[in-house]
Amino acid sequence: QVQLVESGGGVVQPGTSLRLSCVASGFSFSSYAIHWVRQAPGKGLEWVALISYDGSNEYYADSVKGRFTVSRDKSKNTVYLQMNSLRSEDTAVYSCARGGTYSDYWGQGTQVTVSS
Amino acid sequence: QSALTQPASVSGSPGQSITISCSGTSSDVGAYKYVTWYQHHPGKAPKLMIYDVNNRPSGVSDRFSGSKSGNTASLTISGLQADDEADYYCRSYTNSSTYVFGTGTKVTVL
Repeated sequence: QVQLVESGGGVVQPGTSLRLSCVASGFSFSSYAIHWVRQAPGKGLEWVALISYDGSNEYYADSVKGRFTVSRDKSKNTVYLQMNSLRSEDTAVYSCARGGTYSDYWGQGTQVTVSS
Repeated sequence: QSALTQPASVSGSPGQSITISCSGTSSDVGAYKYVTWYQHHPGKAPKLMIYDVNNRPSGVSDRFSGSKSGNTASLTISGLQADDEADYYCRSYTNSSTYVFGTGTKVTVL
């Protein structure tokens, strides 16, 4: 069955970096774009980034552009979200989701807390 | 990239119909058919309910339907049931090749 499992979250200080992973299984990984979405405490869903099925294109929300980088490794069926210069407002549960124009499978998410 | 505008809450009695609006601009909702709707129970993964404005994925009840007029998309839930109580989000593709979610709507079944 289709599964997306995120990991790499944790508690970090402002200005530091963190790399999240999204391991995919149960489908042809190289055929699907992958989104990153986050939800801050008490807030709604916020779209963060998208990487195309072959990794040739990346797109970012203005709130993370220049600080976050999305990449993928087809040999490991994994998508990464490299997060640099983290801010308190980046505190959220980060989830990955399969698909481009619509996301039919989602992971459960990993918590990122940015606090001094 | 301002969030699409949804009502904060909508409520209805069992069996009734409710409609959630999702207001965007001519750069997102009004420009593309790529509007999706997600049901989100807190602590669980979001569930795709509608894609491409008005298409239902396999397994989603036909009580859920989507539409769009101009810059506003809508999700209608007919025959409201207790387990429809959840948060609902719209999402649209934009002319910047990015995506944007709605502000979210909490549906309460009275």
